Amino acid sequence: AQTVTQSQPEMSVQEAETVTLSCTYDTSESDYYLFWYKQPPSRQMILVIRQEAYKQQNATENRFSVNFQKAAKSFSLKISDSQLGDAAMYFCAYERFGNEKLTFGTGTRLTIIP
Amino acid sequence: NAGVTQTPKFRVLKTGQSMTLLCAQDMNHEYMYWYRQDPGMGLRLIHYSVGEGTTAKGEVPDGYNVSRLKKQNFLLGLESAAPSQTSVYFCATIPAIGVKYEQYFGPGTRLTVT
Repeated sequence: AQTVTQSQPEMSVQEAETVTLSCTYDTSESDYYLFWYKQPPSRQMILVIRQEAYKQQNATENRFSVNFQKAAKSFSLKISDSQLGDAAMYFCAYERFGNEKLTFGTGTRLTIIP
Repeated sequence: NAGVTQTPKFRVLKTGQSMTLLCAQDMNHEYMYWYRQDPGMGLRLIHYSVGEGTTAKGEVPDGYNVSRLKKQNFLLGLESAAPSQTSVYFCATIPAIGVKYEQYFGPGTRLTVT
């Protein structure tokens, strides 16, 4: 079974600084997708960024980018120029191609220090 | 478009009572999912449906039943609630396999069983 591990239960960063959240996963599949979801205090799950495993290029979305290391099964999220609105729980998730069920990590709570 | 809605938003049950959570979507999506979120455990899949009239078990199905009589609705039932079912429940959808693979989440339902 696939597992997703987020080893940092909590992180904090100064406003305007850069922070990296870690995620590792375990799978024997070669085709899959990886996601970072953000959950603010409102509880709404919001997609931050996604990465297709067959793409070598790391995904970026504005201030958010990933470092995808397929051989190492690592998928970290970098948030640049951190803003107060980035404070939230961040979940890493895995989805095998052709089996659209998400496996989530346990989350990292990110605090932004003004 | 309302997207994915969940009814109710909050509920308190006594042990042994029953209830049904409703997930409704107006996006004509084929796949629908029910997750539960517990502190320190991320989101775990309870049941899912790949189309009207179909349901399947996820990772933690015990104590829950589901039905998908209409494409737009996915119901999650608790026949005899237990304190271990105290959780936040999320519904999610995707259009279909291979169309788009990130999941769209509802706002969640907080259930407390006393």
